[in-house]
Amino acid sequence: DAGVIQSPRHEVTEMGQEVTLRCKPISGHDYLFWYRQTMMRGLELLIYFNNNVPIDDSGMPEDRFSAKMPNASFSTLKIQPSEPRDSAVYFCASTPKRSTDTQYFGPGTRLTVL
Amino acid sequence: AQTVTQSQPEMSVQEAETVTLSCTYDTSESDYYLFWYKQPPSRQMILVIRQEAYKQQNATENRFSVNFQKAAKSFSLKISDSQLGDAAMYFCAYSRFGNEKLTFGTGTRLTIIP
Repeated sequence: DAGVIQSPRHEVTEMGQEVTLRCKPISGHDYLFWYRQTMMRGLELLIYFNNNVPIDDSGMPEDRFSAKMPNASFSTLKIQPSEPRDSAVYFCASTPKRSTDTQYFGPGTRLTVL
Repeated sequence: AQTVTQSQPEMSVQEAETVTLSCTYDTSESDYYLFWYKQPPSRQMILVIRQEAYKQQNATENRFSVNFQKAAKSFSLKISDSQLGDAAMYFCAYSRFGNEKLTFGTGTRLTIIP
């Protein structure tokens, strides 16, 4: 089975531009997570979904960030407008429905905002 | 709030030797999950080992084993017969359930000396 797929792998944009990161979870997984990794803050959860419904978005930094999951096989994380401090690696992870399951991570998207 | 602490920013070990990475955590829960993830230069997050808090037996996966001390809230990772491919950042992580958010430590960079 394919793992979690993220695109693009690298994104370079200029401040003020809109950025959209994409994630395809492992087929059959009910939970999808977005994490951000920075030198200053380490790895932190931004938001997660269960059956396409956002469950906890307390980690979303501010209104410039939004995430959607229109169906079970696709999610987007959008930043509008982007700022240099948004530069980070963004990971998507998924897990099946059981509370005992483990999260499987995608390869990450490295975002650079100039 | 749960916290995870990794007090060793960097560690090094001779190839074929054994190394132990430390992790402590804080939680008021009695049931939870602990994980060690490996992040090589490719930045892919790879699950190394997991431990369920209700299990007294320490988890093992080939050359990787943990020393789980629930009362002390300690969760160390032992790597035996270290190999060059073990060089990476290692993150300790906590979650209440497998399908809830992961809280990560700050990581330990492991260097393998040939």
